[in-house]
Amino acid sequence: GAVVSQHPSWVICKSGTSVKIECRSLDFQATTMFWYRQFPKQSLMLMATSNEGSKATYEQGVEKDKFLINHASLTLSTLTVTSAHPEDSSFYICSVDGLGNEQFFGPGTRLTVL
Amino acid sequence: AQSVAQPEDQVNVAEGNPLTVKCTYSVSGNPYLFWYVQYPNRGLQFLLKYITGDNLVKGSYGFEAEFNKSQTSFHLKKPSALVSDSALYFCAVRDARNKLTFGTGTQLKVEL
Repeated sequence: GAVVSQHPSWVICKSGTSVKIECRSLDFQATTMFWYRQFPKQSLMLMATSNEGSKATYEQGVEKDKFLINHASLTLSTLTVTSAHPEDSSFYICSVDGLGNEQFFGPGTRLTVL
Repeated sequence: AQSVAQPEDQVNVAEGNPLTVKCTYSVSGNPYLFWYVQYPNRGLQFLLKYITGDNLVKGSYGFEAEFNKSQTSFHLKKPSALVSDSALYFCAVRDARNKLTFGTGTQLKVEL
């Protein structure tokens, strides 16, 4: 399956600052990547679908101006949390669409906003 | 809208005993079903999938799952549990837009 990395693995920031999270597909060219967030002891919620070379598709209730997604190449998608607040603290996970209908997930990024 | 239900928040089993983690689904059309495992502070690892074909699907680490269309279930099983299997397990269903909908997860605890 595809190998997916995320950077950073964890980040702590002050309220009001912006944070960028990178998702890389290391051995697979991904036209589609997905961004999820996961609260403690809860399931994954899809935030948006990232499409290479075009605008991301956001799920209902996700603020596109707050969670900026850029998919500039077939191996890199970035999620920028703008003007972060404590309620944005969460575990953010990206995934890559594999060839066999399954998705392959990155290791996740723990964001803590103080 | 599609949905997945995992009725058990936690499953406890002794090492060496068989384990079952339950999953039922609701979807229009043919289901694409998946099981993933998550270890603490990690992303999800793919275990197995059902797309079509045999109802019994074999996956990684000795896990298997049985697709039952009449009961709309896709239970995860393993004949002999290991302590290292202790983790959070998610069932998921995929729609035509390739969007995954996850269940709420089941914490598996395997004890000596």
